[in-house]
Amino acid sequence: GEQVEQRPPHLSVREGDSAVIICTYTDPNSYYFFWYKQEPGAGLQLLMKVFSSTEINEGQGFTVLLNKKDKQLSLNLTAAHPGDSAVYFCAVSGGGNYKYVFGAGTRLKVIA
Amino acid sequence: GALVYQYPRRTICKSGTSMRMECQAVGFQATSVAWYRQSPQKTFELIALSTVNSAIKYEQNFTQEKFPISHPNLSFSSMTVLNAYLEDRGLYLCGARTGGAETLYFGSGTRLTVL
Repeated sequence: GEQVEQRPPHLSVREGDSAVIICTYTDPNSYYFFWYKQEPGAGLQLLMKVFSSTEINEGQGFTVLLNKKDKQLSLNLTAAHPGDSAVYFCAVSGGGNYKYVFGAGTRLKVIA
Repeated sequence: GALVYQYPRRTICKSGTSMRMECQAVGFQATSVAWYRQSPQKTFELIALSTVNSAIKYEQNFTQEKFPISHPNLSFSSMTVLNAYLEDRGLYLCGARTGGAETLYFGSGTRLTVL
């Protein structure tokens, strides 16, 4: 079945710097990709959903890139601020079965 | 917009007892509900996927006998953790979606502590 590797597990950056989190998946038929943010004690907040037909996706303060050739999904936070400190999870779905496979998470700390 | 509420937010139960958690979808029809568990220091594991008017599909290592789920209508689902033990502690999330949409909207979770 699908496996998702997420790295790095921990990331510390200074305010204003960029932060990059990468997920590598195994199933070439994966079609839907998601990034979620989990703040302390909270559930999952959807940051962005990406479909396999779109390689570059821009959100507010971040960019999500999908490289289907290498089966990689990346989240690039530009100009990180302390409010971005949280655990970030990628999720991959093959479609049809509606089953999400989550990465292990990246704990991001943004230092003021 | 689509919102999902979970109750209770936190709960503590004694080892060997059971507890029930609820999931309420607001603003959309929850055709399918997925229940996940995040154990301490781990990622999210799918417990089961429930679709209204269809059989509930449990993942390997999770059973109906341990985690019975009810999904009686398009806005509500509940799951019970029977005979909870230390390994059952964690954050339980429900994610709901509508129709053929792929996106799951998650609640804030129910955090279970087992004493």
